[in-house]
Amino acid sequence: GAVVSQHPSWVICKSGTSVKIECRSLDFQATTMFWYRQFPKQSLMLMATSNEGSKATYEQGVEKDKFLINHASLTLSTLTVTSAHPEDSSFYICSVNRGRNTGELFFGEGSRLTVL
Amino acid sequence: SQQGEEDPQALSIQEGENATMNCSYKTSINNLQWYRQNSGRGLVHLILIRSNEREKHSGRLRVTLDTSKKSSSLLITASRAADTASYFCATDRGTGNQFYFGTGTSLTVIP
Repeated sequence: GAVVSQHPSWVICKSGTSVKIECRSLDFQATTMFWYRQFPKQSLMLMATSNEGSKATYEQGVEKDKFLINHASLTLSTLTVTSAHPEDSSFYICSVNRGRNTGELFFGEGSRLTVL
Repeated sequence: SQQGEEDPQALSIQEGENATMNCSYKTSINNLQWYRQNSGRGLVHLILIRSNEREKHSGRLRVTLDTSKKSSSLLITASRAADTASYFCATDRGTGNQFYFGTGTSLTVIP
């Protein structure tokens, strides 16, 4: 199955700085990747759909300028949390879907962001 | 959550017992999936059931789907301590592309 790698696994930053999280699809060319956010003991919230070569599609209520997504190649999508604040502290997880209607999502191991 | 509710929120059982988790969703779907998450880790796909299916089995897992009630259940038989994790259902809201997750059930299997 598709293997998805995320980096970094953990990141701690100061308020006001920007943090970039990478999501790589190691054995599958993904035209679409998905970014989720998860607060402690809560469910995953879909933030945006990353589309290779075009703009990401953001879910309602997610700030585009706050969470910048770039999907420059078929194997790499990046999420940049800009001007991070403590409330942005969360677990960010990316996933890859093999294609429309094929179902199964393959998830990265997640990136835990702590903003001081 | 973006998709619906799961119940119970938490479930604690003895090893060897069966665990049943329920998921309700809000919109029409193409398929529904169940995932498992160990604490602080990514999610692992367990099973997918399509909207035209009513029941599906995979090893010790049994999933049912009732589209008229917009609900699904996951049954884990003969539970093991290693089954301790959070379990989430996810649906595609009919898009077949984006998937939205339920609130999850935290399962603890006591050895």
